[in-house]
Amino acid sequence: GAVVSQHPSRVICKSGTSVKIECRSLDFQATTMFWYRQFPKQSLMLMATSNEGSKATYEQGVEKDKFLINHASLTLSTLTVTSAHPEDSSFYICSARAVNEQFFGPGTRLTVL
Amino acid sequence: RKEVEQDPGPFNVPEGATVAFNCTYSNSASQSFFWYRQDCRKEPKLLMSVYSSGNEDGRFTAQLNRASQYISLLIRDSKLSDSATYLCVVSGRGGADGLTFGKGTHLIIQP
Repeated sequence: GAVVSQHPSRVICKSGTSVKIECRSLDFQATTMFWYRQFPKQSLMLMATSNEGSKATYEQGVEKDKFLINHASLTLSTLTVTSAHPEDSSFYICSARAVNEQFFGPGTRLTVL
Repeated sequence: RKEVEQDPGPFNVPEGATVAFNCTYSNSASQSFFWYRQDCRKEPKLLMSVYSSGNEDGRFTAQLNRASQYISLLIRDSKLSDSATYLCVVSGRGGADGLTFGKGTHLIIQP
């Protein structure tokens, strides 16, 4: 299947700092990428849909000014968690759409102290 | 009511046994259905899509009942490597829409 990478795989930061997570489709172009978040023992929750060249579409309850998404090319989407707080600590996973299937990145584990 | 509901388990099953999971979904407009597998602290991986006619992939059989909004997964001759969390997933348009995940059913295969 298609390969999606995420970087970094793990980040620990202080409260108030901003963290950028990159999601890349390595062997295909993705006009649409998705960002999910998974808290411990919870289901993956869709945060936003990232469309190349246009604004992201955010799910209800997700603050667009806090979670900045940029999809500047067909192979790269970035999620920036601005002014991170401990409650933002979570497992962030991206996926990229190829034809009618989504391929997931390995995830980024964010810990905010 | 949650959009996708699953029994969280854990299901403790001896190696070689048959185990069945099911889930229900609330959005009758859902068009596509999947089972994903997630290992601890890893990303989910597609196990199989689910079709109304039912489909089989080796030891795995999936069924969909649109009228009851119910999806099932059957694993035959379970292996130790089948131990994982199985996620029931629905979507509006195949992979074109974001996916809605259940919390998952935790399966432990015991030797």
